[in-house]
Amino acid sequence: AQSVTQLDSQVPVFEEAPVELRCNYSSSVSVYLFWYVQYPNQGLQLLLKYLSGSTLVKGINGFEAEFNKSQTSFHLRKPSVHISDTAEYFCAVSPRSGNTPLVFGKGTRLSVIA
Amino acid sequence: GAGVSQTPSNKVTEKGKYVELRCDPISGHTALYWYRQSLGQGPEFLIYFQGTGAADDSGLPNDRFFAVRPEGSVSTLKIQRTERGDSAVYLCASSILAGGPNEQFFGPGTRLTVL
Repeated sequence: AQSVTQLDSQVPVFEEAPVELRCNYSSSVSVYLFWYVQYPNQGLQLLLKYLSGSTLVKGINGFEAEFNKSQTSFHLRKPSVHISDTAEYFCAVSPRSGNTPLVFGKGTRLSVIA
Repeated sequence: GAGVSQTPSNKVTEKGKYVELRCDPISGHTALYWYRQSLGQGPEFLIYFQGTGAADDSGLPNDRFFAVRPEGSVSTLKIQRTERGDSAVYLCASSILAGGPNEQFFGPGTRLTVL
């Protein structure tokens, strides 16, 4: 079985400041890793995913994440946030073998302050 | 093209009633997933379909929950004898194929409130 821990439930940050949202996972098998964003009253939207290759993954809206196998982490970063980045962010994993659906963390609410 | 749509967007019902929640996936997507998102939690898997058949229903909490996808497109999640603990946002997602690397596209969800 897999589990995902998002260490911060809420992260307030000033506009144009950098931000890091932390994600750690636990799994006995190799996994794919994902970050989704959920804007108010909208569905989840994929930000980025790690499937293989380079451990630094770039996604939409200027976000990037780095896969660290030894630390079982997949932290999300953005060098300069905007007000429009205010949303809920979810880290998720899926085993590489089989068709097991996504396992999500509890989410981190990013609030960007003007 | 159109994304995943879910109806209704909001549903308020009384304890003990029966409800149906509908999901229209993206055309051509063979895999369809249902998740439940309780307040302050991430989405939790309920069931997924590959075509018309339920490939994995291990996340359904009990036998009051049932889902169908008779023609391999639209899916309906059915909840009998609703309880207050069933209140949550029910999310539907679809992907071209089942399996980890295939991106899941999510609908906006149905917010179910059981009074």
